[in-house]
Amino acid sequence: GAGVSQSPSNKVTEKGKDVELRCDPISGHTALYWYRQSLGQGLEFLIYFQGNSAPDKSGLPSDRFSAERTGGSVSTLTIQRTQQEDSAVYLCASSLGPSGANVLTFGAGSRLTVL
Amino acid sequence: GESVGLHLPTLSVQEGDNSIINCAYSNSASDYFIWYKQESGKGPQFIIDIRSNMDKRQGQRVTVLLNKTVKHLSLQIAATQPGDSAVYFCAGPVGSSNTGKLIFGQGTTLQVKP
Repeated sequence: GAGVSQSPSNKVTEKGKDVELRCDPISGHTALYWYRQSLGQGLEFLIYFQGNSAPDKSGLPSDRFSAERTGGSVSTLTIQRTQQEDSAVYLCASSLGPSGANVLTFGAGSRLTVL
Repeated sequence: GESVGLHLPTLSVQEGDNSIINCAYSNSASDYFIWYKQESGKGPQFIIDIRSNMDKRQGQRVTVLLNKTVKHLSLQIAATQPGDSAVYFCAGPVGSSNTGKLIFGQGTTLQVKP
């Protein structure tokens, strides 16, 4: 597609449930990033995929968070046993390559609300 | 730890005036900085970037200034328009990373009064 596509756009779940958030990056973009944006805050880095390399998971806040990227394209962020503090907008971005010179294109985000 | 931060959470300007949004950073090793604009309900959108070997870079109606001595950068928007109303973030690389792994400031909300 023309841009980064994320689904669902909104997700309301109960505390303790698992959720999956999907990201479809721009075709041909080898680098994919997940960020989290809490209400009124800046973006917080979560995880980074580049081609077939092992992902950089250094930003994941706990072992309840995991992500995978299948076939170098679509990525899924999974949050297990959700907690209220997980409520945030989860943003996915992709870029042509790993260099910081490559512009990140963000999706519109998935807003997660944990009741 | 390293940080990137904005000076004012909210900036209100009159339509047609120039806007200046400021940002401070702590990581001397940062090789580049980026400014993003985020409109309500949307993801951040790239505005302009600047590498550490530059002091100034201009785009369409926007200018970014970098002062490495005091670790400060600013985004100037000329002739501010209602469509410029948004949250503006400055961002820099995490550590010595040369990737899109970024640390973001908390954002400045720009309000443009008609």
